[in-house]
Amino acid sequence: GAGVSQSPRYKVAKRGQDVALRCDPISGHVSLFWYQQALGQGPEFLTYFQNEAQLDKSGLPSDRFFAERPEGSVSTLKIQRTQQEDSAVYLCASSLFPGTGSHNEQFFGPGTRLTVL
Amino acid sequence: QKEVEQNSGPLSVPEGAIASLNCTYSDRGSQSFFWYRQYSGKSPELIMFIYSNGDKEDGRFTAQLNKASQYVSLLIRDSQPSDSATYLCAVRGYDYKLSFGAGTTVTVRA
Repeated sequence: GAGVSQSPRYKVAKRGQDVALRCDPISGHVSLFWYQQALGQGPEFLTYFQNEAQLDKSGLPSDRFFAERPEGSVSTLKIQRTQQEDSAVYLCASSLFPGTGSHNEQFFGPGTRLTVL
Repeated sequence: QKEVEQNSGPLSVPEGAIASLNCTYSDRGSQSFFWYRQYSGKSPELIMFIYSNGDKEDGRFTAQLNKASQYVSLLIRDSQPSDSATYLCAVRGYDYKLSFGAGTTVTVRA
């Protein structure tokens, strides 16, 4: 079975450009998470979906960041008017169940490395 | 103040030795504790989770949790070159969010 996939794997954008990052979670997984990982740091939570509902977007750094999961499967993270500080690896993770079940492991995708010039 | 702190590393150990990784957390309401391994340029991979005080062993890995001291550790016994990676400690409270430390990079010398 396929794991979490993300595309593109690498993205170079000029400052001010808009970018869209895609995440395909494991089939049937209810929960989907986006994280931002800066160089030399651990992942930082951005947003959480349960099916198509975005239940938490408290980690999005600014209103330039927008995420959606319209049909409860594939998700897109969009960054408008990119800035140099947006350069990071964007990780998507999915888990089978909603909430915090004791074995509700998050499976991570390979990430998209975004470089803003 | 960062919620999850890890010993800064890098940690270099000879092959066959024990690697000891430490993590402290600030939120006393934290419920679940995870250790992820991340190879350079790759995604984090879950290797251990622990919920109760005490030790939990899985193969060459042992996680230790002390909620009173807000401390969780990971021991890697008989370290192998393939264990060379960054190890991320993550903590979860009553919600679904994982809070990660910055990671400790381990190098196992052959």
